[in-house]
Amino acid sequence: AQSVAQPEDQVNVAEGNPLTVKCTYSVSGNPYLFWYVQYPNRGLQFLLKYITGDNLVKGSYGFEAEFNKSQTSFHLKKPSALVSDSALYFCAVRGMDSNYQLIWGAGTKLIIKP
Amino acid sequence: ETGVTQSPTHLIKTRGQQVTLRCSSQSGHNTVSWYQQALGQGPQFIFQYYREEENGRGNFPPRFSGLQFPNYSSELNVNALELDDSALYLCASSLSRRRDEQYFGPGTRLTVT
Repeated sequence: AQSVAQPEDQVNVAEGNPLTVKCTYSVSGNPYLFWYVQYPNRGLQFLLKYITGDNLVKGSYGFEAEFNKSQTSFHLKKPSALVSDSALYFCAVRGMDSNYQLIWGAGTKLIIKP
Repeated sequence: ETGVTQSPTHLIKTRGQQVTLRCSSQSGHNTVSWYQQALGQGPQFIFQYYREEENGRGNFPPRFSGLQFPNYSSELNVNALELDDSALYLCASSLSRRRDEQYFGPGTRLTVT
């Protein structure tokens, strides 16, 4: 069965420090991986995706993520956190062999403290 | 370029009733997906429509059904509403069924009493 795990319900980071939000997945075949962000009272917004190619992908707002096939992980990173990065982050995966279903993690609340 | 829109914004229904939610996809997008998001949880995939046909379905009962129209707008219909159907319903459109990112509407908050 396909699944996505975001092991941390909440991540706290001081402004200016690097941040990492973790995601691991299980899917049949090669994965398509996505990160989305949800701000309070706003819809889900796409951040970045991995389809194929370079394992390090860059996305919106200075975020990047590294695909690690052996560890089946796709962690979200940013070198220097901003208070405005505080939001709910979701990892999602779709398998090449799936019925187009996008499987979502439970979300990680990111809190950046000034 | 118009984004994804959903209507209504909020809805209150009684258990056993039926509801129809509507979604207009982003210009040029032929794929629409529907999700249910309970408070504090990730979205749960209901189904996806591609060129007016359902081509993927999550673990939802048949009382959840949908339509996609020639202009790629879509409807989600839920019959025999249950209290557990109370949630935020999200519509998302994309350029393709698998590779491309999805663009989400603001959602419809459904409350079943």
